Amino acid sequence: AQSVTQLGSHVSVSEGALVLLRCNYSSSVPPYLFWYVQYPNQGLQLLLKYTTGATLVKGINGFEAEFKKSETSFHLTKPSAHMSDAAEYFCAVKGYSTLTFGKGTMLLVSP
Amino acid sequence: AAGVIQSPRHLIKEKRETATLKCYPIPRHDTVYWYQQGPGQDPQFLISFYEKMQSDKGSIPDRFSAQQFSDYHSELNMSSLELGDSALYFCASSETSNYGYTFGSGTRLTVV
Repeated sequence: AQSVTQLGSHVSVSEGALVLLRCNYSSSVPPYLFWYVQYPNQGLQLLLKYTTGATLVKGINGFEAEFKKSETSFHLTKPSAHMSDAAEYFCAVKGYSTLTFGKGTMLLVSP
Repeated sequence: AAGVIQSPRHLIKEKRETATLKCYPIPRHDTVYWYQQGPGQDPQFLISFYEKMQSDKGSIPDRFSAQQFSDYHSELNMSSLELGDSALYFCASSETSNYGYTFGSGTRLTVV
């Protein structure tokens, strides 16, 4: 079985502040982990993914995430938020079966 | 670069009608997935196909069926539509050797 827990359905930051979106996973096999971003009324865009190798993964738009096996976490960070980062972010895990998503975190960015 | 193409983008149907959604995966991708995303919800896995054979099944209602054709495009057929079927339906494709799923822009189905 596999599952994803995203802490916080909404996260608010000021423009220029650090972005931290939390994701914890559960998987019975070594997981592959993903972060997707969804803008209103649009599809899911892959931000970054972890499969094997380096545990710090860099993605698009300045985002990165670190796979921490001991903490079963894959938190998403960005050093400086931009207004255009306002969107919903989904963490997802793939174990034996298909991609399972978390409930999503809406990132709100204020000027 | 080629992306996953879904059609139509929007669809309005009445209760008890049928709907067919189409998905054209990225060339050389061997697996297709269908997801349903209700309003304010996370995407829920419906069904997948690997090399034109059903490979996995999620929370797909019995009223829904899907298939993948010889050209690798896939269709999701939905019958006896209910108001609760109103959602965004995403198709995604992937290569077995590359674990990233590429999603299409989705079909927004509204049942009235």
